[in-house]
Amino acid sequence: DTEVTQTPKHLVMGMTNKKSLKCEQHMGHRAMYWYKQKAKKPPELMFVYSYEKLSINESVPSRFSPECPNSSLLNLHLHALQPEDSALYLCASSQQQGADRGEQYFGPGTRLTVT
Amino acid sequence: SQQGEEDPQALSIQEGENATMNCSYKTSINNLQWYRQNSGRGLVHLILIRSNEREKHSGRLRVTLDTSKKSSSLLITASRAADTASYFCATIGASGSRLTFGEGTQLTVNP
Repeated sequence: DTEVTQTPKHLVMGMTNKKSLKCEQHMGHRAMYWYKQKAKKPPELMFVYSYEKLSINESVPSRFSPECPNSSLLNLHLHALQPEDSALYLCASSQQQGADRGEQYFGPGTRLTVT
Repeated sequence: SQQGEEDPQALSIQEGENATMNCSYKTSINNLQWYRQNSGRGLVHLILIRSNEREKHSGRLRVTLDTSKKSSSLLITASRAADTASYFCATIGASGSRLTFGEGTQLTVNP
């Protein structure tokens, strides 16, 4: 199984809502990633988890809170978002974090709209 | 920060023609990868070329890497309408901690 799944596919939320994005992989990968992508732009790295520990936080605002409950799951908790946070949120995984395991497998993304 | 720049930003060709996309980067790399993204979907890994490699093939894809010029090219031969997508190059530096994506090339293959 070489699939990364993400739920939900679409999410509309108000600025006072709390919601969560979920990501799952069963490839035995030990590195997982959250990216944010705006229209016609490349993905921007947000967070990296390596062996279920937060490895990289790219100075992401605290209204985004990642969580890695186990090696297969990655969540992104959202609270008090702004309209400019509307974007496609992509989850990815790789065997390990590092150059020799650099190939990443991406999920289909969650299209988030903040109203 | 994004260190990759891609050229052209957009490319429109006829089915059966070859498509060439170029990528430049600024710092030393461990490897360079190419990804494809269909509209509004996730990215699909196409090919990885290591810094000590100069050329790599995979099916209709040919990738070259020139580390002296800090550049790479992706050639898609005998293009098909299904190749219509955005193509991104991405690099991993010597420290190997993160992928850094280029701005991407939007390829349109007309039937």
